[in-house]
Amino acid sequence: EDQVTQSPEALRLQEGESSSLNCSYTVSGLRGLFWYRQDPGKGPEFLFTLYSAGEEKEKERLKATLTKKESFLHITAPKPEDSATYLCAVLVSGGSNYKLTFGKGTLLTVNP
Amino acid sequence: DVKVTQSSRYLVKRTGEKVFLECVQDMDHENMFWYRQDPGLGLRLIYFSYDVKMKEKGDIPEGYSVSREKKERFSLILESASTNQTSMYLCASSLIHSPLHFGNGTRLTVT
Repeated sequence: EDQVTQSPEALRLQEGESSSLNCSYTVSGLRGLFWYRQDPGKGPEFLFTLYSAGEEKEKERLKATLTKKESFLHITAPKPEDSATYLCAVLVSGGSNYKLTFGKGTLLTVNP
Repeated sequence: DVKVTQSSRYLVKRTGEKVFLECVQDMDHENMFWYRQDPGLGLRLIYFSYDVKMKEKGDIPEGYSVSREKKERFSLILESASTNQTSMYLCASSLIHSPLHFGNGTRLTVT
């Protein structure tokens, strides 16, 4: 069975304190990994797609990396507005054209 | 920008009522999805559709049905609402093997 595990479940940082969120996966036939940001009461907002080990993507203070077993979302010098739940999702090869498994997310709080 | 619009942000329904949740996307995406999101359980797939009139069951289809008569519109139907269907419902759309784009959700309360 495909599994996606995110850690930690919750993370509190001070403004400017860099850190990383982890998304580890056990799947067969990885086609891609997606990162999302979700604010309270809203739908997830797409951030990045990673397709192969060694790939990196950056956007403002966020940088996503991918290995064969896990992905990291690095947050550099975070600001309070980066507070949100961050979700990762893994796309695998399947009988139908789409099988996407989500992790349960990491709740990030950045204090001023 | 992709826009996925869900018809209601908040709904309150009574047990046993038939409930319709509507979703429209404006990017000509083949795939459309319905998820529910509950604290501690994460996002769970209810149904998805990869073409008009086509549907496939997700992980938790019991108590739900869907309809996709037009490419841009995907409806979720609760045939007889129950209190355990109180949840946040999220619609999404995508191209094949591409990221999902989500709507802002419908928070449904069944009393």
